[in-house]
Amino acid sequence: DTAVSQTPKYLVTQMGNDKSIKCEQNLGHDTMYWYKQDSKKFLKIMFSYNNKELIINETVPNRFSPKSPDKAHLNLHINSLELGDSAVYFCASSPVLGRRLRVDYGYTFGSGTRLTVV
Amino acid sequence: DAKTTQPPSMDCAEGRAANLPCNHSTISGNEYVYWYRQIHSQGPQYIIHGLKNNETNEMASLIITEDRKSSTLILPHATLRDTAVYYCIVRPSNSNSGYALNFGKGTSLLVTP
Repeated sequence: DTAVSQTPKYLVTQMGNDKSIKCEQNLGHDTMYWYKQDSKKFLKIMFSYNNKELIINETVPNRFSPKSPDKAHLNLHINSLELGDSAVYFCASSPVLGRRLRVDYGYTFGSGTRLTVV
Repeated sequence: DAKTTQPPSMDCAEGRAANLPCNHSTISGNEYVYWYRQIHSQGPQYIIHGLKNNETNEMASLIITEDRKSSTLILPHATLRDTAVYYCIVRPSNSNSGYALNFGKGTSLLVTP
């Protein structure tokens, strides 16, 4: 199936631990993103990579480090987890817009990773 | 990016048309209007987008006023599965290397039997 897939779907961990969330897209998109949705349901962008290059880096603690080994993958590593990191993290991808792209279907989001820090 | 304003919630009877309004009075000439929705516990889903002409696809219709300061998303025959939070977002058209979607609070649509 063509999609954006992220693993794990649920992640429960203790404060202070280091964890990673993986994301893969097989849509051939050039750009990938990480969004965070907090308990109040606000969705906010964290990072964006275009062809393995970081292009958007919002005000996110240094404990969060994205890594893009190739344009189909964007992983999120979080060091020294804190209670406030508990949220749902969504990966997404989008095609590069331009004259060669006739149709824009916007973003495709993954199904989310629910991170709970205890 | 232009800011959008949407009602926090709306109800719609199943089978009826759901008309979701959005104000974007500060939209500039090169900004598109996008609509996404998020069904409970799922990732947001793209619905439709437009620049100045009305648009229709298999999911919905998008009506943009002539001055482009507001738009309406129309779900022609709402079903219970259309219950979701609907987001109206504007973004520039010249973002060739990726762009951030600025999700606001959206409109929580409840479709009732």
